[in-house]
Amino acid sequence: NAGVMQNPRHLVRRRGQEARLRCSPMKGHSHVYWYRQLPEEGLKFMVYLQKENIIDESGMPKERFSAEFPKEGPSILRIQQVVRGDSAAYFCASSPLRGQSTDTQYFGPGTRLTVL
Amino acid sequence: QQPVQSPQAVILREGEDAVINCSSSKALYSVHWYRQKHGEAPVFLMILLKGGEQKGHDKISASFNEKKQQSSLYLTASQLSYSGTYFCGTEGGSQGNLIFGKGTKLSVKP
Repeated sequence: NAGVMQNPRHLVRRRGQEARLRCSPMKGHSHVYWYRQLPEEGLKFMVYLQKENIIDESGMPKERFSAEFPKEGPSILRIQQVVRGDSAAYFCASSPLRGQSTDTQYFGPGTRLTVL
Repeated sequence: QQPVQSPQAVILREGEDAVINCSSSKALYSVHWYRQKHGEAPVFLMILLKGGEQKGHDKISASFNEKKQQSSLYLTASQLSYSGTYFCGTEGGSQGNLIFGKGTKLSVKP
């Protein structure tokens, strides 16, 4: 059973460009969470999605950031007009059906975004 | 609110023991523990549920005291492979998402 997949693993963008980060959850998992991690810091929750629904986006900046999890295909975290402060590691995690706080979340390898 | 972890960092010799604490200002239903090595993804260690639960995995165990709103991770006879940053996660505002502490950096030396 393949784990959580993320691509690309490394992404370099210039200021003002768009960044698209993809996450394929583990097989059988329908809940996806995105977290951001700055160097030497903990993981900060951004958004929680189920298939075709955003459940909680309270941790995501209101501007420039968006996320989706379509019926088919991976979850996408999109950052428009990137700025240097967006440089970070972005992790997604998935959990099985229940989507409760007692579910184990399995993390992908992350995408390291560098904004020049 | 973000859980508070202590200590921030600890250095051990191989074979020594360590305790990492995680406390919250709000009532908890569950605590999740992860270990992350530099440049890698967080790896799930264990989840503890309310009820004063204790769990163990090899020489790593944990306890959860929901009355005190805290959890402790115990590493016994540490090995070099235990090095990494340990994070505790507690429930966020909505169902499912976790709020993580700032982490405890553990270094095990030969």
